[in-house]
Amino acid sequence: KNQVEQSPQSLIILEGKNCTLQCNYTVSPFSNLRWYKQDTGRGPVSLTIMTFSENTKSNGRYTATLDADTKQSSLHITASQLSDSASYICVVSARYSSASKIIFGSGTRLSIRP
Amino acid sequence: SQTIHQWPATLVQPVGSPLSLECTVEGTSNPNLYWYRQAAGRGLQLLFYSVGIGQISSEVPQNLSASRPQDRQFILSSKKLLLSDSGFYLCAWSIRKSGANVLTFGAGSRLTVL
Repeated sequence: KNQVEQSPQSLIILEGKNCTLQCNYTVSPFSNLRWYKQDTGRGPVSLTIMTFSENTKSNGRYTATLDADTKQSSLHITASQLSDSASYICVVSARYSSASKIIFGSGTRLSIRP
Repeated sequence: SQTIHQWPATLVQPVGSPLSLECTVEGTSNPNLYWYRQAAGRGLQLLFYSVGIGQISSEVPQNLSASRPQDRQFILSSKKLLLSDSGFYLCAWSIRKSGANVLTFGAGSRLTVL
């Protein structure tokens, strides 16, 4: 069964600290993995996208890693800012897929405290 | 550049009333179009997707319907809303390219059924 599981479900950290969000998936055959940031009441916005051959990708203070062997990904946020408070969603697509093969995780709710 | 517009942003409707949410995409042709629903604290659930005018695929049985009268227009409708239809609805598009399925989301529509 195609699944994407994220942990933790929620996380609270102090401004300026680093954090790492986890994503485990069982989607097959794998095509790509994306991390989205979703501010409250807004649509998700893409942060990074990685294919099978990529194991790390950065976007400013966000760095995503992918281990296709263990089917795990992480999103590392460096020097967190108050504006990083949001839900972070891991999304995995299957190869040659129809729309129904895009699998969403339930997200990690990140709160940054001053 | 491509943009996606979704409206209305918020909507409060009584049970049994009709619904129409509209989504349009600019700056691209022949996109795949999607409607998702996001319940509070839950992941995104795919409702409908379309690969062309008049072509609608439904992922889950429900009280809603979708239509694509024009290439870049996607409409979510209901004849009679239920309380369970409340939620956050997101329209998205992707390039019609096998295996890519990189989604770009609209800002979302918050529906409250009373």
